[in-house]
Amino acid sequence: SQQGEEDPQALSIQEGENATMNCSYKTSINNLQWYRQNSGRGLVHLILIRSNEREKHSGRLRVTLDTSKKSSSLLITASRAADTASYFCATDADTGGFKTIFGAGTRLFVKA
Amino acid sequence: NAGVTQTPKFRVLKTGQSMTLLCAQDMNHEYMYWYRQDPGMGLRLIHYSVGEGTTAKGEVPDGYNVSRLKKQNFLLGLESAAPSQTSVYFCASSYFGDEQFFGPGTRLTVL
Repeated sequence: SQQGEEDPQALSIQEGENATMNCSYKTSINNLQWYRQNSGRGLVHLILIRSNEREKHSGRLRVTLDTSKKSSSLLITASRAADTASYFCATDADTGGFKTIFGAGTRLFVKA
Repeated sequence: NAGVTQTPKFRVLKTGQSMTLLCAQDMNHEYMYWYRQDPGMGLRLIHYSVGEGTTAKGEVPDGYNVSRLKKQNFLLGLESAAPSQTSVYFCASSYFGDEQFFGPGTRLTVL
C-alpha cells in the first residue's frame, strides 16, 4: 500500500492561477518531500520539509505540513504552462529515512 | 558531472529471458534505489542500498535481485522476466536518504 495519497488526482487551471495539491499519509514521518515529473522523464526534487517544520518556501512553491492531521499541501503560485507535470509527495514512512514511499501523484495541466 | 545514468533506455524481452539494468552515479552518494512506475501510478520501491556491499528489499522485491559491488553502481536483475514486469524502471541516489536524484528511466516491455 502507498503511504502518501495525493488529492486531487488531476487538476486543470489557467496560466497565472494558483495550484494547490494535497497529500495525506498514514504513519509518522521524519520528513516529507515533493517531486515533479515531466512526461516520460525522471523525477525532480522540489522541496523537503521535516516533521518539526510547518511551512517552507522555495521560489513560487509553498509547502505546509500538519503532522497532527498527517497531511501536507503544495501550492504553486502564478502558474505557468511549464508547470504542467505530475507532482508526487514522498515520505520516509518512519523507517529511519532508509526507504521513501511515493504517492500516486497529481497531474497538473496549466493552460496558456 | 553526469548525475544518475541508466542503461539501457529501452528493452524488449520475451517471457523467461533474463536481463540486468545498470545504474551509475557520480555524486558519491551512499544510498541508491530502484523503483518501478506503472501507468497512472506513483513509484514503488523494489530494492535499495544504504552503502557499498549492502542491499535491502523494498515494497515489491519479488522477481528481482540487486547488487551493489561498487559504490557508484547499482544493478537490478530480472532472472526470468514475466509480462507483469513490463514497466518503467527508475534508479535514484541520495547522499543520506533525503533529496533523491533520479535517472532518466528504462522502459521495459516483456512479451
